[in-house]
Amino acid sequence: GNSVTQMEGPVTLSEEAFLTINCTYTATGYPSLFWYVQYPGEGLQLLLKATKADDKGSNKGFEATYRKETTSFHLEKGSVQVSDSAVYFCALSRRSGNTGKLIFGQGTTLQVKP
Amino acid sequence: KAGVTQTPRYLIKTRGQQVTLSCSPISGHRSVSWYQQTPGQGLQFLFEYFSETQRNKGNFPGRFSGRQFSNSRSEMNVSTLELGDSALYLCASSLGLLGEETQYFGPGTRLLVL
Repeated sequence: GNSVTQMEGPVTLSEEAFLTINCTYTATGYPSLFWYVQYPGEGLQLLLKATKADDKGSNKGFEATYRKETTSFHLEKGSVQVSDSAVYFCALSRRSGNTGKLIFGQGTTLQVKP
Repeated sequence: KAGVTQTPRYLIKTRGQQVTLSCSPISGHRSVSWYQQTPGQGLQFLFEYFSETQRNKGNFPGRFSGRQFSNSRSEMNVSTLELGDSALYLCASSLGLLGEETQYFGPGTRLLVL
């Protein structure tokens, strides 16, 4: 079946540190991959996406590359800020016949300390 | 362009009551999906509507139902509320079908069942 696995949190970093949040997926066919971010008390915001192998999604200094050979979509940022503290969700999306799916990982909490 | 809006934002109900939540998609979007988010179960898919028709349904009891109107606005209803229905309910919209287009989320309705 289809599934997404993210690294366990919380991840605690100091401001300006390098961030990596690992995400691997299992899927049949060719899914699209997403990172969503959820700030406290809010809904999900689309952070970035990639729709095919080797695509790189980027936004607000965050990047992730769709790696089909390793079935991964790791999120990276070179220098985190306190304002990046949030929960990050990796997700895959695909449709097969009449059934569409958006499947989320369990989420990784990031805490950035000044 | 205005984003996805959800009303109400917060709701307190007692066991046995019913509740109706509303979602207005981004203008031009025809697909609306609903998700339940809880600390224990994470993000779970409830149902997908497209052109006023339910296309997919997640693994939830029949107490959870929904509908979509001709202007693409959607409502979901939960009857005979249980304590375990306390959650953040998220609505997402997309141009096309779930799994084919990017989903954009609203801020959510936080439901507390006492």
